[in-house]
Amino acid sequence: GAVVSQHPSRVICKSGTSVKIECRSLDFQATTMFWYRQFPKKSLMLMATSNEGSKATYEQGVEKDKFLINHASLTLSTLTVTSAHPEDSSFYICSAQTPGQRRYGYTFGSGTRLTVV
Amino acid sequence: AQSVTQLGSHVSVSEGALVLLRCNYSSSVPPYLFWYVQYPNQGLQLLLKYTSAATLVKGINGFEAEFKKSETSFHLTKPSAHMSDAAEYFCAVSDDWSPGTASKLTFGTGTRLQVTL
Repeated sequence: GAVVSQHPSRVICKSGTSVKIECRSLDFQATTMFWYRQFPKKSLMLMATSNEGSKATYEQGVEKDKFLINHASLTLSTLTVTSAHPEDSSFYICSAQTPGQRRYGYTFGSGTRLTVV
Repeated sequence: AQSVTQLGSHVSVSEGALVLLRCNYSSSVPPYLFWYVQYPNQGLQLLLKYTSAATLVKGINGFEAEFKKSETSFHLTKPSAHMSDAAEYFCAVSDDWSPGTASKLTFGTGTRLQVTL
């Protein structure tokens, strides 16, 4: 079945540094990638939607300059948390979709636990 | 806007007992509905999905859900709980699934299932 590989699974960084999270679709072409943030014991909050080759669409309240999304190819999307602060600590999950491909639906990565110290 | 409501943030059942996790949706168009399971520090795994075919949907790990339009519900059930079923469960609804476009998933707040001996 469809697989999305997300790396790293865990990362600890110092405040003020940047962190890059990668999501790769391994056996299908993900024309669209969704990026979610999940707070402890909370549901998933959609941050942005990225389409291959175009700018990401950010949800209201999400700082696009802080959360940089790049979707340069049909198999790779990246989320970069810039100038990270402790409040950015969270669980980030990507989800890939190929429009119209019902057999794939939405495939999620395994998530990245970001801790900013 | 589409939305889902999960009644009960925490459900506890005995091993071998019936599992019932409730989900009600709000949608102005025929919805696509999903149930996902999340284990600690992991991404989401699809249990099952309703995409306007059969109203009784069977998924993995013995779970099933029934789409009831009259009740706007999509409750998740399993006849006999196993210890390994302990996890967080999310109900989600999708926008209109049109060829050539990607549609967002809107998640419920989640239900934590506890299975006791």
